[in-house]
Amino acid sequence: DAGVIQSPRHEVTEMGQEVTLRCKPISGHDYLFWYRQTMMRGLELLIYFNNNVPIDDSGMPEDRFSAKMPNASFSTLKIQPSEPRDSAVYFCASCMVGIAPGYTFGSGTRLTVV
Amino acid sequence: AQTVTQSQPEMSVQEAETVTLSCTYDTSENNYYLFWYKQPPSRQMILVIRQEAYKQQNATENRFSVNFQKAAKSFSLKISDSQLGDTAMYFCAFTEGGSEKLVFGKGTKLTVNP
Repeated sequence: DAGVIQSPRHEVTEMGQEVTLRCKPISGHDYLFWYRQTMMRGLELLIYFNNNVPIDDSGMPEDRFSAKMPNASFSTLKIQPSEPRDSAVYFCASCMVGIAPGYTFGSGTRLTVV
Repeated sequence: AQTVTQSQPEMSVQEAETVTLSCTYDTSENNYYLFWYKQPPSRQMILVIRQEAYKQQNATENRFSVNFQKAAKSFSLKISDSQLGDTAMYFCAFTEGGSEKLVFGKGTKLTVNP
């Protein structure tokens, strides 16, 4: 298995632009998570899905952030419009309920908004 | 609310020696799971070890072991025979049984010196 795949690995964009981050979970995993990592706030859970359905989006910072999971093998996190304070590393992770708990993380997308 | 506290922002150890990283957590539940994740400079999040709260025996994975003190809500990580490749951020994480959400501590930056 190739693991959780995220793209792009790095993204530099100008303030006000739309940014879309992508994630492909491990095949068969039924949970998908989006986390944001910053020096100040550490790892924050933004949203998670179970069987493609959003379960908890209470961590999404504001309406500029949205996430979708149209099928079991793909999810996107979109920021529109982007702001410099959105600069962070965004991780996607997946897991399968009933199997030993613990996520498998993707390698993350480093987002820089200038 | 669930919280995870790592009181040591930074630590260092000499190669081949042993180091212990501290973690405490807060929960009113009896069924939960604890984890240690490693994040090297490559930023990949790697699961190091997991512990089920209902198991009294401390988990061990090669040079990594935990000291799980349920009554004290303490979950420390011991790294034996430290290697240069152990240099990384280490995150303690927690999830309650029945929930797939992981809550992370702020991390401990470990440096292994030659």
